[in-house]
Amino acid sequence: DQQVKQNSPSLSVQEGRISILNCDYTNSMFDYFLWYKKYPAEGPTFLISISSIKDKNEDGRFTVFLNKSAKHLSLHIVPSQPGDSAVYFCAASASSGSARQLTFGSGTQLTVLP
Amino acid sequence: KAGVTQTPRYLIKTRGQQVTLSCSPISGHRSVSWYQQTPGQGLQFLFEYFSETQRNKGNFPGRFSGRQFSNSRSEMNVSTLELGDSALYLCASSSGDYSNQPQHFGDGTRLSIL
Repeated sequence: DQQVKQNSPSLSVQEGRISILNCDYTNSMFDYFLWYKKYPAEGPTFLISISSIKDKNEDGRFTVFLNKSAKHLSLHIVPSQPGDSAVYFCAASASSGSARQLTFGSGTQLTVLP
Repeated sequence: KAGVTQTPRYLIKTRGQQVTLSCSPISGHRSVSWYQQTPGQGLQFLFEYFSETQRNKGNFPGRFSGRQFSNSRSEMNVSTLELGDSALYLCASSSGDYSNQPQHFGDGTRLSIL
């Protein structure tokens, strides 16, 4: 059972436009959500996170939106740059217990066209 | 600030052998988690160590084990290697406390089983 889903395996966007990556989750215990970017032959790089007590978090060109009722989050990148081309993973964790275990989506390949 | 360091970067083994992978977390981080990434299953949680104790474990067979030392460095061991163990093994560290802190990943060890 996939608890975190990224239904779009790929997305192409023109440079300077907005990129919107989507993620859905099923486990209502998840209360902390993260986005990572991954280049080939490198580990995932942390981008931005959001706690379930918020519905929006911004960091420079990156904004994450959380809709708890729909169990949906999205990452907006504005403006998109060619260097943003990478695989983007969303991840979620639950604060129950003392450990933090990340559950990942399958990733979305973002291509930003010059 | 140095990031998460994983050694070796690449490893080739044959079926039936065992392997040990190493991870040095970010200075000051006390939690180390291990993940397996394969094309078919994506990124999956193996286990987490905190203060030399396994705090959480994913759904992997007992052939996969780990340990953490007093300096927070961690090792992961896989015994009786199978072809399906070919994967990218990623280590991530975080502060390990109860607040919402992101995990930061190393560049991984690419394990190939012949």
